[in-house]
Amino acid sequence: NAGVTQTPKFRILKIGQSMTLQCTQDMNHNYMYWYRQDPGMGLKLIYYSVGAGITDKGEVPNGYNVSRSTTEDFPLRLELAAPSQTSVYFCASSRTGGYGYTFGSGTRLTVV
Amino acid sequence: DQQVKQNSPSLSVQEGRISILNCDYTNSMFDYFLWYKKYPAEGPTFLISISSIKDKNEDGRFTVFLNKSAKHLSLHIVPSQPGDSAVYFCAASANYGGSQGNLIFGKGTKLSVKP
Repeated sequence: NAGVTQTPKFRILKIGQSMTLQCTQDMNHNYMYWYRQDPGMGLKLIYYSVGAGITDKGEVPNGYNVSRSTTEDFPLRLELAAPSQTSVYFCASSRTGGYGYTFGSGTRLTVV
Repeated sequence: DQQVKQNSPSLSVQEGRISILNCDYTNSMFDYFLWYKKYPAEGPTFLISISSIKDKNEDGRFTVFLNKSAKHLSLHIVPSQPGDSAVYFCAASANYGGSQGNLIFGKGTKLSVKP
């Protein structure tokens, strides 16, 4: 069982560059989420989606965009990378909101 | 303002002893609580949960206690094993008019179990 798959696992970006973090799940979950984890700061919600075509902002959405064209995929777009976006990014999914999430293994992003 | 607080960044215990990880919350609307475990370079994995209608839930070596009046929950690991060494996140969600809200996470507590 693949669960939630994130790519890439690591990436170094230069300031001002753009990239897309990919996330796909094979559990037919309606809900998907993007979190970032900064050292000692826990997990902060960036964006979430309750189904294909529906997305909403979380706690820290600035500098990011998302789309949800299919149930399986929930990519996260960084348009103009800034050093403050250096973090570990986790994608997660759940069958219903607010209960047990299944997380991917994360993408470690460094912006220099 | 933090709604879910884990005030101990780290905890060290001896193998075989009890580990107690604590979590406090401020939002009285929270009605579902979870603990996640995270190893380095991996995503968090679900460990155990509890609904606000209960005050205790047990799963093998792991027990979660909920004290609603104190807005406090704790995770007990007995006996602790070196493989339990990880970061533990407390999380909570609230039900808003029949719709469960997103999980809110604490900052995590790093548990080290020494052989």
